[in-house]
Amino acid sequence: DAKTTQPTSMDCAEGRAANLPCNHSTISGNEYVYWYRQIHSQGPQYIIHGLKNNETNEMASLIITEDRKSSTLILPHATLRDTAVYYCIVRRSNYKLTFGKGTLLTVNP
Amino acid sequence: GAGVSQTPSNKVTEKGKYVELRCDPISGHTALYWYRQSLGQGPEFLIYFQGTGAADDSGLPNDRFFAVRPEGSVSTLKIQRTERGDSAVYLCASSLNQGDTEAFFGQGTRLTVV
Repeated sequence: DAKTTQPTSMDCAEGRAANLPCNHSTISGNEYVYWYRQIHSQGPQYIIHGLKNNETNEMASLIITEDRKSSTLILPHATLRDTAVYYCIVRRSNYKLTFGKGTLLTVNP
Repeated sequence: GAGVSQTPSNKVTEKGKYVELRCDPISGHTALYWYRQSLGQGPEFLIYFQGTGAADDSGLPNDRFFAVRPEGSVSTLKIQRTERGDSAVYLCASSLNQGDTEAFFGQGTRLTVV
């Protein structure tokens, strides 16, 4: 799986949009971009995934650049409960997830 | 419905002892995964089951680690002759089928070897 690069930490004000970047410059054409998050003392939770097109669900939006070398996860209205480590994963549609260290997002009141 | 259940939630054992960690996947999920997470790191893949068989055990660190899933549901991760370096959170996940977009994780078992 392609390697990803994420900032170690980010802060966001409650109610504002949180934009979490991820670089994956070595991504291959058939590799998907997945996002999971891990709230303290819990297991990881799936958020969203995409291949080429931007995606949106009830949790977040995923914006993938045209060259697919980077992406941004957007939480439109961050709440305190969104404080977590966010993992960007590039996955070739198989069973294994390769997690990096992720980005610790802290949502402040 | 219940999510993925892992027991015990915490386990403290002495160096050299044998431990078993249990995972109850979501009912009907054929794919089951074990991961290990050390402090400050992301989860690392250990083993993947499709049904009863271990389809990929390439992540198991050495032959002290073994996992089974005899009836294609509950899985047990077994660690022999535990070492202090085995201390970590062991996470189990399941998905309906192989390659499903979403894997559901349990809360993990925190293993401490003293």
